[in-house]
Amino acid sequence: DTEVTQTPKHLVMGMTNKKSLKCEQHMGHRAMYWYKQKAKKPPELMFVYSYEKLSINESVPSRFSPECPNSSLLNLHLHALQPEDSALYLCASSQPGQAYEQYFGPGTRLTVT
Amino acid sequence: GDSVTQMEGPVTLSEEAFLTINCTYTATGYPSLFWYVQYPGEGLQLLLKATKADDKGSNKGFEATYRKETTSFHLEKGSVQVSDSAVYFCALSEGMGRGSTLGRLYFGRGTQLTVWP
Repeated sequence: DTEVTQTPKHLVMGMTNKKSLKCEQHMGHRAMYWYKQKAKKPPELMFVYSYEKLSINESVPSRFSPECPNSSLLNLHLHALQPEDSALYLCASSQPGQAYEQYFGPGTRLTVT
Repeated sequence: GDSVTQMEGPVTLSEEAFLTINCTYTATGYPSLFWYVQYPGEGLQLLLKATKADDKGSNKGFEATYRKETTSFHLEKGSVQVSDSAVYFCALSEGMGRGSTLGRLYFGRGTQLTVWP
């Protein structure tokens, strides 16, 4: 099973709201990733967790706060977002040391109003 | 640094036509190479991969061969279908000796493929 699940599928939030995106995988992968994808562009890396520890933060604004409660779950907490943060947010996972192939979830389509 | 260059799109073909999407890369080590496909409104799906020179990745009629001498990983399919319409991303990840990068993927810009019946 190479499935990564993400919830919700769609999210509309105001600039003063707090919301969370969730990602789950049951492949036993120990690396998990958050990406942001704008229309007609490749995904941009935001965060990397390796063995439940934050390993890479690509200078993402603090209004995005990642969390990895356990090896299967990854959250992205959102607060005080801007309209330009509207995008498709993708989660991915991989097993370090195995060709680094990443498996992506279907994404959460976020609209900030 | 590492990078991937993909041919510009969009690419428009008739059903059963031959497809080539060019991809070249720059890397200092021995990267693994991937093609991902993204259907409208969906996430990225791993289409195929190759981990060393001369490896051929294949899946669903698509093929790509890892050419170290030309630093290329072109995607080909002999007969496209309407259902192949999607955006295709070429990507590389640094090789096994660069574990500290945690498998960072470097993506090409993506190529939109539209297949008409």
